[in-house]
Amino acid sequence: QMQLVESGGGVVQPGRSLRLSCAASGFTFSTYGMHWVRQAPGKGLEWLAVIWYDGSNKYHADSVKGRFTISRDNSRNTLYLQMNSLRAEDTAVYYCAREPKAALINWYFDLWGRGSLVTVSS
Amino acid sequence: EIVLTQSPGTLSLSPGERATLSCRASQSVGSSYLAWYQLKPGQAPRLLIYGASSRATGTPDRFSGSGSGTDFTLTISRLEPEDFAVYYCQQYGSSPITFGQGTRLEIK
Repeated sequence: QMQLVESGGGVVQPGRSLRLSCAASGFTFSTYGMHWVRQAPGKGLEWLAVIWYDGSNKYHADSVKGRFTISRDNSRNTLYLQMNSLRAEDTAVYYCAREPKAALINWYFDLWGRGSLVTVSS
Repeated sequence: EIVLTQSPGTLSLSPGERATLSCRASQSVGSSYLAWYQLKPGQAPRLLIYGASSRATGTPDRFSGSGSGTDFTLTISRLEPEDFAVYYCQQYGSSPITFGQGTRLEIK
């Protein structure tokens, strides 16, 4: 059964850092591009970052560029999101999501995790 | 950036009725690169439609997508109890990819 499971969320003070993880199982993780998407309370979905299947390319949304970094460890079947200099407006549920086709970036998502809640508050 | 506007914000219907959800783009979505997702609290979001009208694997055939250019529609022909959720459209034809603000489909 294909699955993505996020972890690492919690309550963090403004200005601090947090790293989210996304564990993949049931498919060949190393052949799929991966994304992070978030949803702030009462808001819609916001795309954050993409990483190619082999880690060769990565892009971040302007809203998080320079503060957040996407990465992956294909030997551990795990995707990461390093979040630095966190702000109150980063409070959201963070989802990892998979590209629909191996070795391609189509920019939509056919498999999602259940999300991990990050709350930035003093 | 392409802005997607979904309407209505909330749709109240009864099981067995037909639901029509709209997604309008501020500029043309290239190659009909539009997807629809279903979100339920505490669950993983689910891809329903991609390429404006192609059903994703496992999407029941009561769900259909249509449209091109700037106007897109998700239709649920006969609502089942499990269809009551929030639906989002997403365009992936232009960078940055963007989502609509969502339509909440609630039981009347």
